[in-house]
Amino acid sequence: GENVEQHPSTLSVQEGDSAVIKCTYSDSASNYFPWYKQELGKGPQLIIDIRSNVGEKKDQRIAVTLNKTAKHFSLHITETQPEDSAVYFCAASKGSYKLIFGSGTRLLVRP
Amino acid sequence: IAGITQAPTSQILAAGRRMTLRCTQDMRHNAMYWYRQDLGLGLRLIHYSNTAGTTGKGEVPDGYSVSRANTDDFPLTLASAVPSQTSVYFCASSEQGGYNTGELFFGEGSRLTVL
Repeated sequence: GENVEQHPSTLSVQEGDSAVIKCTYSDSASNYFPWYKQELGKGPQLIIDIRSNVGEKKDQRIAVTLNKTAKHFSLHITETQPEDSAVYFCAASKGSYKLIFGSGTRLLVRP
Repeated sequence: IAGITQAPTSQILAAGRRMTLRCTQDMRHNAMYWYRQDLGLGLRLIHYSNTAGTTGKGEVPDGYSVSRANTDDFPLTLASAVPSQTSVYFCASSEQGGYNTGELFFGEGSRLTVL
């Protein structure tokens, strides 16, 4: 079955700097790759997603890139702000309900 | 705005006891899910339901059961709790199930400790 690995497990950046979180997946048939943000004491919330027919997608300060050949995808956050501090999860699925999540990255943005 | 409501928010339970975690959604979503979240392991799917009256097994279904009698409710039952079921449990829903599920909407979680 699908396996998703996420790195790093923790990331600390200075406010205003960029943050990059990387994920690799094992099943080449996977075609849907969402990113979720989880704030302390809350449930995860979708922030951006990408499908396998697209190489990059942007939404303001957030972007996701997908390399199908290498089977990895990344989340890029530019001009980080303290409110970006949270745990971020990547996930992958073959367009089905069975999303497989990565183990999470705790991002700390230092003021 | 309610979305997904989970209860209880926190519970301490003796091993061997039966426990039901409740989940209700008011978005009229077809699909619902139960995940458990453990440190270093991310979120793992326990059971899902693509539509009322149907359920299916996820990655880690053993020791858990679910039912989906109607669109809004999706309770998760631990028949005889064990310490390894200590975790934070999240209920989620999506507009559609099956192929092209799209965005999941999560509740705020139920923290369960089994002693």
